[in-house]
Amino acid sequence: EVKLQQSGDELVRPGASVKISCKASGYTFTNYAMYWVKQSPGQGLEWIGTIIPLIDTTSYNQKFKGKATLTADKSSNTAYMELSRLTSEDSAVYYCARGRWDTYFDYWGQGVMVTVSS
Amino acid sequence: DIRMTQSPASLSASLGETVNIECLASEDIYSDLAWYQQKPGKSPQLLIYNANSLQNGVPSRFSGSGSGTQYSLKINSLQSEDVATYFCQQYNNYPWTFGGGTKLELK
Repeated sequence: EVKLQQSGDELVRPGASVKISCKASGYTFTNYAMYWVKQSPGQGLEWIGTIIPLIDTTSYNQKFKGKATLTADKSSNTAYMELSRLTSEDSAVYYCARGRWDTYFDYWGQGVMVTVSS
Repeated sequence: DIRMTQSPASLSASLGETVNIECLASEDIYSDLAWYQQKPGKSPQLLIYNANSLQNGVPSRFSGSGSGTQYSLKINSLQSEDVATYFCQQYNNYPWTFGGGTKLELK
């Protein structure tokens, strides 16, 4: 069974950073890309970026360049997203999602709610 | 960026009814379109990919069609478990973009 287990909800201060994890199981981690998606009431669903763990290649939505950094650890089948210089605009639910390169997302994690507040 | 416009934004239908949701792309996306279902408090689930291919395990009452810039999701014989918000997504051109969603409720 394919499963993407994300880390827990986060409450962070403005200006700080947060790193979210997504542990994959039930498939060969390096055979798929990992996508990250933001869901907020005001902006709906937004694709943040993609990492291909096999070759450690990333691509980002221009809107999130400098905000999000994607990494992957092949030894633990875990993908990570770090969000930096957080503001209230970054408060949202963040999902990881699996897919083949340059296609749709066939499995999603359960989501991490990030709340930016002082 | 390709703009994805969904309609209607909300929809109320009765059990057993047929429902259609539309998705209009701002340019040709060559059938690189997926539909997702999101139930309250849950993550999105893939229903349809490549505009008309049914994801494994998805009930056959769901179907997708369309080409070019116009696409639709059809739900036959609406069931109570279909109450959810539905999103379209294009993966033809970066950045991948989503429609604003259609909230489906029971009448």
